[in-house]
This record gives sequence, C-alpha cells and structure tokens, in this order.
Amino acid sequence: KQEVTQIPAALSVPEGENLVLNCSFTDSAIYNLQWFRQDPGKGLTSLLLIQSSQREQTSGRLNASLDKSSGRSTLYIAASQPGDSATYLCAVRRITNAGKSTFGDGTTLTVKP
Amino acid sequence: DGGITQSPKYLFRKEGQNVTLSCEQNLNHDAMYWYRQDPGQGLRLIYYSQIVNDFQKGDIAEGYSVSREKKESFPLTVTSAQKNPTAFYLCASAPNKGGLMNTEAFFGQGTRLTVV
Repeated sequence: KQEVTQIPAALSVPEGENLVLNCSFTDSAIYNLQWFRQDPGKGLTSLLLIQSSQREQTSGRLNASLDKSSGRSTLYIAASQPGDSATYLCAVRRITNAGKSTFGDGTTLTVKP
Repeated sequence: DGGITQSPKYLFRKEGQNVTLSCEQNLNHDAMYWYRQDPGQGLRLIYYSQIVNDFQKGDIAEGYSVSREKKESFPLTVTSAQKNPTAFYLCASAPNKGGLMNTEAFFGQGTRLTVV
C-alpha cells in the first residue's frame, strides 16, 4: 500500500524567506508526482508535475525535486510572500494500482508580512 | 473558458436523504474522479471513471454511487447508507493516455456537504 507523508504539517515563516516542503512516499513504482496548492474552502490548483523519469521541475519561484529511489520529493519556494499562504499537497500516481493517486495530508503554510 | 464546474458549492442533507453532487467538465478529458477531503487530511478516492459508461470503485466507495453517461458529466450520489457524509467533495478530470493518468489533473472548486 502506498503511503504519502508530508512534513511539517504546518509552517509559519516571515515574508522573504526561502522554504522547503517535504513529501515522502513508500512505493517508488510511480508514474509521476504532482504538487498542488489549496486555498481554504477551494479546490486544488496544480503547481508542478514531475514525471518519474525527471529529477526536477521549475515554475517561477517554485522548484520541485524528485528522488524516486529514496521516495522523496521537495517543493522549494523562494522569496516567500503572504500570497503563498495556503495548504500544499503532494500526490503520487502508482504504477501498480491502476494509476490511482495517493495524496499526502498537506502542509499548511503561513507567510507573515 | 475550459474547466471543471462543481455544483452546488454548499449542500445540506437531512438524515436518510440521498443527495447528488454535480461535476461537469469541458476539457474533453476522458478520465474523471471523485475525492473526499476531511479537515486536516488529504484526499481519498471515492470513484473514478476512465471512459464513458464505465467507472470503478476507489478506496472509500461504500455509501456512494456514480454514473458516467456523458463524457462531460460525472455526478456523485451520496446515499443514506453513507454513515458520515459531512465532508468537502472534490471532482477532478485528466487526459487519459493508455488508460492511465500520467498527465496533469485539474480540479473543481468543491462542494461542502453538511448533514443537518
């Protein structure tokens, strides 16, 4: 069974700091890993998708890395802003489970002005 | 604009009632999914459909039912058999290459269901 863990569960930083969110998974047989952002009471917005053959993806101030062999991914946010405050979820899509996704519980980020 | 629309945004259900949540997409995606999210937790898969007229149970299908009569629509019915239906429900869709979702998924804005 795939288990996805996100650490920390909550994080509070002052504006301007660089930060790293962590995602670990137990089954390395995955198609891809996707990072999402969720604002309170809203749906999920896709941030970055990393295919299993890739090591990292970048979009603006965001950089996501994938180390499939160790079952880890990180989301790096540079120069954080109050608008980055949200819950960040990672999801892995398994090869051995009909391609269904397993989600972590998320990290709730607060960036203080 | 292309996207996924869920309705209603808020839904209240009395004990013993069945309610249906709507999910419509105009992205021409083959695959559609229903997830449940409880406070402070990630998403759990209820049902998914890879193609019209076909759907599969997810991890927590008991007490729920779905249909996929049209590519654009994937309604979810929460039946009276669901013991704890109060939650946030999210619908998603994705292109379907080779029967597996290996590309980006898109989500609707969710429906918050409350039992009164």
